[in-house]
Amino acid sequence: EVQLVESGGGLVKPGGSLRLSCAASGFTFSTYSMNWVRQAPGKGLEWVANIDSSSSYIYFADSLKGRFIISRDNAKNSLYLQMNSLRVEDTAVYYCARGADRDYWGQGTLVTVSS
Amino acid sequence: QSVLTQPPSVSAAPGQRVTISCSGSSSNIGNNYVTWYQQLPGTAPKLLIYDDNKRPSGIPDRFSGSKSGTSATLGITGLQTGDEADYYCGAWDTRLSAGVFGGGTKLTVL
Repeated sequence: EVQLVESGGGLVKPGGSLRLSCAASGFTFSTYSMNWVRQAPGKGLEWVANIDSSSSYIYFADSLKGRFIISRDNAKNSLYLQMNSLRVEDTAVYYCARGADRDYWGQGTLVTVSS
Repeated sequence: QSVLTQPPSVSAAPGQRVTISCSGSSSNIGNNYVTWYQQLPGTAPKLLIYDDNKRPSGIPDRFSGSKSGTSATLGITGLQTGDEADYYCGAWDTRLSAGVFGGGTKLTVL
């Protein structure tokens, strides 16, 4: 059974940093690209970033370039999102999702940026 | 402002058919596959349709996808109260080199 489990969310002050993790199981992680998608409270889905299976190609939403970093560790079946210089508007549930079709999603982890 | 445009809401009676539109451009829908997701209240999104019109295993054939030019449509027949959810279209945008979503459509089954 495919499982994606996000962790690392929480309350952080504006300007702070947070590192999200996504633990994958039930499939060969190293053969899939992975995504981060976020959803602000009461709002729609916003694609954040994609990383290919070997970390050779990384794509980011323009609005987040320079502040967020996506990475993965295929040996640990894990996906990461390093978030720096956090802003109030980054408050959202952050989901990891598998592959180009985003066919499996985790349950999400809530990031709240507030003073 | 989402790159893909969906109606904010649609509604229909149980047993009826409803369609949800998704409008884009040549850099996304026009030249890349469309996916559709269902998000039930308080849950993570779930893939309904991929590659414009394919259903993952376990998705009933009441759900269908189609595409023409730079627009895509999700169809749901035999509406059930359990279909009440938010529905999102998605695609890759070649010009932006980014994933894009529609703003979402809230389906109400009256």
